Amino acid sequence: SAVISQKPSRDICQRGTSLTIQCQVDSQVTMMFWYRQQPGQSLTLIATANQGSEATYESGFVIDKFPISRPNLTFSTLTVSNMSPEDSSIYLCSVEVGGGARLSTDTQYFGPGTRLTVL
Amino acid sequence: AQSVTQLDSHVSVSEGTPVLLRCNYSSSYSPSLFWYVQHPNKGLQLLLKYTSAATLVKGINGFEAEFKKSETSFHLTKPSAHMSDAAEYFCVVSFFSGGYNKLIFGAGTRLAVHP
Repeated sequence: SAVISQKPSRDICQRGTSLTIQCQVDSQVTMMFWYRQQPGQSLTLIATANQGSEATYESGFVIDKFPISRPNLTFSTLTVSNMSPEDSSIYLCSVEVGGGARLSTDTQYFGPGTRLTVL
Repeated sequence: AQSVTQLDSHVSVSEGTPVLLRCNYSSSYSPSLFWYVQHPNKGLQLLLKYTSAATLVKGINGFEAEFKKSETSFHLTKPSAHMSDAAEYFCVVSFFSGGYNKLIFGAGTRLAVHP
């Protein structure tokens, strides 16, 4: 398994501003993921962050709105830019832990999430 | 295409009675399936996962799930509910695409446990 921490745990922001969320894991991992959970909804994958390469974004998410950094194997940041009330969500990071062969049986472990409210 | 359907958005049980949370999946090939639990204001915790070994999978906190290929189901059960089981439960299918495992989440089932 993996122990994942996120900062901040929650924040209240004004529209038009940006917030950077940090994700720290206690071991080196290749794959890190960022998800959004809108109020009362399930999780939606925003992007995949692989160390040493550009993040890969899912349909409906763009780098200008959600820039991601992955400077090393234990850390990643997600920035929510030019925020609007529609960005109010829980943002979660996760890491993939497995045997190294990158199998579908590998497991993702999640951080505690960052609860963002945009006024 | 891969998809997950959780058949109940809300389930309410009395403490000490059995829990059944239903999940059906659609997958082009042999899937990996997971159940995660999310307690209020907490992150997601892995309950159990199916990876084509035993069809009956035992997880943490007394939960188990049975993979039934003929019914494309992966229902989560627990013999006796505890108040601490009240949470949101997500059924998830995983498939390998584009160099990484992509998780498809169900809509979630909110479990309420009454005294």
